[in-house]
Amino acid sequence: QSVLTQPPSASGTPGQRVTISCSGSISNIGGNTVNWYQQLPGTAPKLLIYSNNQRPSGAGVPDRFSGSKSGTSASLAISGLQSEDEADYYCAAYDDSLNGWVFGGGTKVTVL
Amino acid sequence: QIQLVQSGAEVKKPGASVKVSCKASGYTFTNYAVTWVRQAPGQGLEWMGWISGYNGNTNYAQKLQGRVTMTTDTSTTTAYMELRSLTSDDTAVYYCVREDGYNLKLDHWGQGTLVTVSS
Repeated sequence: QSVLTQPPSASGTPGQRVTISCSGSISNIGGNTVNWYQQLPGTAPKLLIYSNNQRPSGAGVPDRFSGSKSGTSASLAISGLQSEDEADYYCAAYDDSLNGWVFGGGTKVTVL
Repeated sequence: QIQLVQSGAEVKKPGASVKVSCKASGYTFTNYAVTWVRQAPGQGLEWMGWISGYNGNTNYAQKLQGRVTMTTDTSTTTAYMELRSLTSDDTAVYYCVREDGYNLKLDHWGQGTLVTVSS
């Protein structure tokens, strides 16, 4: 049971916009910034978004990926969905009660 | 460029211990913490704990307290994670990750080390 709640799956056709939600509490998302990670099969997670809506510089993250946060929830949007976006996506935030990191359970994105 | 290179896959018997290494390069090791995250087969990411690259302070996930020890060797810019009393539930890929505490992000990940616990 993950501390942050994500839908297990999401899908769309090429070119569509897909949004993934992430719900937490005041001790994690409500009080700290949110990161998003992309994990392709058989590889380590890759940082996509940090500080709610920032793309890491020099990491080759397309501007099709964007993040937002409101209260104790956050979301990741993928606009102009492409086949290479098929992956698992995880949200993460620092939790002040645990003094450690918490993750969502992951959302598998399928390009139809 | 920033790299974290982990040691190779391990197969252990139940009750044994494993020690995974993580060699960091391309940044000032003592300016960042190293976090360890694991992922059981087909499952999500689980935070295990972190260790300061500056002073070796640690914080472990409560469920692993007493079984896990994280250390660093600043002379070789290497972090280590030892897990004892292994069970089949510990079968997972273990990742070391650089933690940017200022921006609250886990920004650079090692390639992962598969630890298999099997009799």
